[in-house]
Amino acid sequence: TQLLEQSPQFLSIQEGENLTVYCNSSSVFSSLQWYRQEPGEGPVLLVTVVTGGEVKKLKRLTFQFGDARKDSSLHITAAQPGDTGLYLCAGARGGADGLTFGKGTHLIIQP
Amino acid sequence: DVKVTQSSRYLVKRTGEKVFLECVQDMDHENMFWYRQDPGLGLRLIYFSYDVKMKEKGDIPEGYSVSREKKERFSLILESASTNQTSMYLCASSLPATNEKLFFGSGTQLSVL
Repeated sequence: TQLLEQSPQFLSIQEGENLTVYCNSSSVFSSLQWYRQEPGEGPVLLVTVVTGGEVKKLKRLTFQFGDARKDSSLHITAAQPGDTGLYLCAGARGGADGLTFGKGTHLIIQP
Repeated sequence: DVKVTQSSRYLVKRTGEKVFLECVQDMDHENMFWYRQDPGLGLRLIYFSYDVKMKEKGDIPEGYSVSREKKERFSLILESASTNQTSMYLCASSLPATNEKLFFGSGTQLSVL
């Protein structure tokens, strides 16, 4: 079973601060996806990274895929209360058989 | 707006009952998935289907079965519910390609007493 380790598990910071969340594995994935989940809802896709070394930006969020396609990071600049949620990374196994999810990072941005 | 709809947001059942969780998607997606989400364990894949009447076991299929009689509908069945099946159940769908995004429903919080 391919495992994805996310760190930190919990993070609570003040509005305006920067933060980085990590997603690591010993396995190579064809792609990595990042989702955000809010209470009472299902996860919603933020971004997919496919190429080793790829960097994608989504407003204040920057996603990076490691050169070896085993790890990824999510960096948030000037965090806002609306960024609060559970952030999940997920690796594609290949084929049609779904994704392997990390356990997630619970992020709380305090006003 | 595209949608994955799960029939119940909250469900309370007794040990030993047969439980059906229903999921419908309106995006004509081939792939459908059932995950359960537990604190500290994340999302774990129970079953998935890539076509009508096709099903494949995920990582934790024990105690569950599924049915996919129509493309848009994927049902998760707990033949005899047990307390360790208390969990949040999430249904998702996607197009067939490997890197396609998953569209999730809002989840069903199942409590087995």
